[in-house]
This record gives sequence, C-alpha cells and structure tokens, in this order.
Amino acid sequence: GENVEQHPSTLSVQEGDSAVIKCTYSDSASNYFPWYKQELGKRPQLIIDIRSNVGEKKDQRIAVTLNKTAKHFSLHITETQPEDSAVYFCAAPSSTGSARQLTFGSGTQLTVLP
Amino acid sequence: DAGVIQSPRHEVTEMGQEVTLRCKPISGHDYLFWYRQTMMRGLELLIYFNNNVPIDDSGMPEDRFSAKMPNASFSTLKIQPSEPRDSAVYFCASSLGSRTEAFFGQGTRLTVV
Repeated sequence: GENVEQHPSTLSVQEGDSAVIKCTYSDSASNYFPWYKQELGKRPQLIIDIRSNVGEKKDQRIAVTLNKTAKHFSLHITETQPEDSAVYFCAAPSSTGSARQLTFGSGTQLTVLP
Repeated sequence: DAGVIQSPRHEVTEMGQEVTLRCKPISGHDYLFWYRQTMMRGLELLIYFNNNVPIDDSGMPEDRFSAKMPNASFSTLKIQPSEPRDSAVYFCASSLGSRTEAFFGQGTRLTVV
C-alpha cells in the first residue's frame, strides 16, 4: 500500500510570508496528488490537486509542485493571510491490487501570525 | 446538490451501546469512503465502497465495526458494542471515480463515555 509522510507537523509564519509543506510517497504508480485544508471543527476540503503528467500547478496564492523521480510533492502558499491558518493534508492514491483509496499524510498545522 | 450529508452531527453514548452513523453521498458519485479522525492517528480510512460494493475494509479496526451500503444514496457505519477509544470524528466522503476529488461530509463527532 501507499505510505505518505508529511512535514512539518506544525508551521508558524508571519502574515505575508510564504509557507511550504512537503510530502513524500512510496507508490511509484501514484498519479494523483490532492491537498486538503481543514479549518478547526470543519470538514477537509480540496484546495488544489496535481496529476503526474505535470510538474507544477498554480491557483492564485497556492501552488503545488511534483517531483515524480524523487516521489515528493509540495504545497506552496504565498502572501499568507490569517485565514490560511488551518490543518493541511496531502494525499496520494494506492494502486496496488484492488485498493485505490487515498492515503492521507499526518497533517500540518499552519498558523499565520498577524 | 447539498453535498455529502452525515447524521447525526454529534453523538454521545455510553460504553457498550450500539452506535449507527449515517451518510448520504453526492448523487451520481460511485465511490464512498468512511474515515475516522483522531489527534493521535490523523485521518484513517476505515472502508470504502464502489458502486455499493465494499472494496477494502482493511482499515476497520475490529469486528465491532461494520459498514453497509444498501443503495447508491445511503451508507451506515455501525459500532457494536462501542468503547471509549472509539471516540473520534467520523467522516464520510464520496467521489466520482477513485482518483478525483473526494467530497467530505460535515462529520459525526462521537463521544463514548
């Protein structure tokens, strides 16, 4: 199955600075990498995803990069704002056997300090 | 569409009681997932269904846990008997295809005392 490791577990940045969260995965066949944001007491929600046929994807202040050779992908948030404070999860699918579910990383608690 | 709907939002029960969590996926989605979230273990996949058929239940912690999907618009997760260590937030999610966005419900916060 898939093993997804996420770092760091906590991250504090000043408002306006950038934040970077990194994940590694083990299944070389994985081809879909979503990032979810979970605000306190709420459900995880997709903020951006990338497929293995591209190396980078950007959506306003959020970008994700993928390095398939090294089997890692990263979330970049620029010009951080207090409302970016949340827990962020990366995920990768397992394609072994019949298992095609997402495996989530352990999460990163991002705090943006005003 | 109202999104994935879970009920109840909160459940407090006594140890030993049966607990049933309910989920209505987004109409047309063919995958349904049950996750458990705790501080210690993060988001764990318990079981998932494809076209109402259970595909992988290897994440179900014990025989006390069971899940069903009698039709495309309804699923249940049952714990019998419940134990304090089952206290967690249980999320249901659905997706169209296995490698696309999974939409999460609001979750059920279960407390077993």
